[in-house]
Amino acid sequence: DIQMTQSPPSLSASLGDKVTITCQASQNINKYIAWYQQKPGKAPRQLIRYTSTLVSGTPSRFSGSGSGRDYSFSISNVESEDIASYYCLQYDNLPYTFGAGTKLELK
Amino acid sequence: EVQLVESGGGLVQPGRSLKLSCAASGFTFSNYGMAWVRQTPTKGLEWVASISTGGGNTYYRDSVKGRFTISRDNAKNTQYLQMDSLRSEDTATYYCARLGATFDYWGQGVMVTVSS
Repeated sequence: DIQMTQSPPSLSASLGDKVTITCQASQNINKYIAWYQQKPGKAPRQLIRYTSTLVSGTPSRFSGSGSGRDYSFSISNVESEDIASYYCLQYDNLPYTFGAGTKLELK
Repeated sequence: EVQLVESGGGLVQPGRSLKLSCAASGFTFSNYGMAWVRQTPTKGLEWVASISTGGGNTYYRDSVKGRFTISRDNAKNTQYLQMDSLRSEDTATYYCARLGATFDYWGQGVMVTVSS
């Protein structure tokens, strides 16, 4: 199984900050990484697929990059509605595997 | 609007069975693979099983192989997860998800608790 090491586990930011989350795969995942946002009591919502493609409805302040084993996800100009947990997902190989998550909180 | 609505969760004793359903609407169900993903506070998000558009191909994580069966009825726009020989470690919120390139739409989730 491919392990996804996501960091940091938690992040504290002020409104307007830029934050970055990273995921490192245990092997090359050929850019097949997606990023999800989850708010308490809700299902995850897809934001980005294939490393950097924003899905419909994702604000442009979200972005993703990376290749090989190393990937990052950023939010520029954090807004209050961005307070949530974020997860990466590799879908290069079964079993698809998620990172452990990053909880974004307001400073 | 894509909607996925799970049902069938609840409290069940270890070793017993439970069947989850996921009713889909707002898209052509037969054109998409489907999946189940579960979440616990300790293990996080875990892919459980997937099924191809026609149901002929199914895939499972190792820990549920031989115990869980994913299926679908394209005439009813519904997918299912039959869970047998349930264990305490299967306790989780189970989400139904549509397989676009990835899990692109999710249901609201249904709780399954395995406990005596």
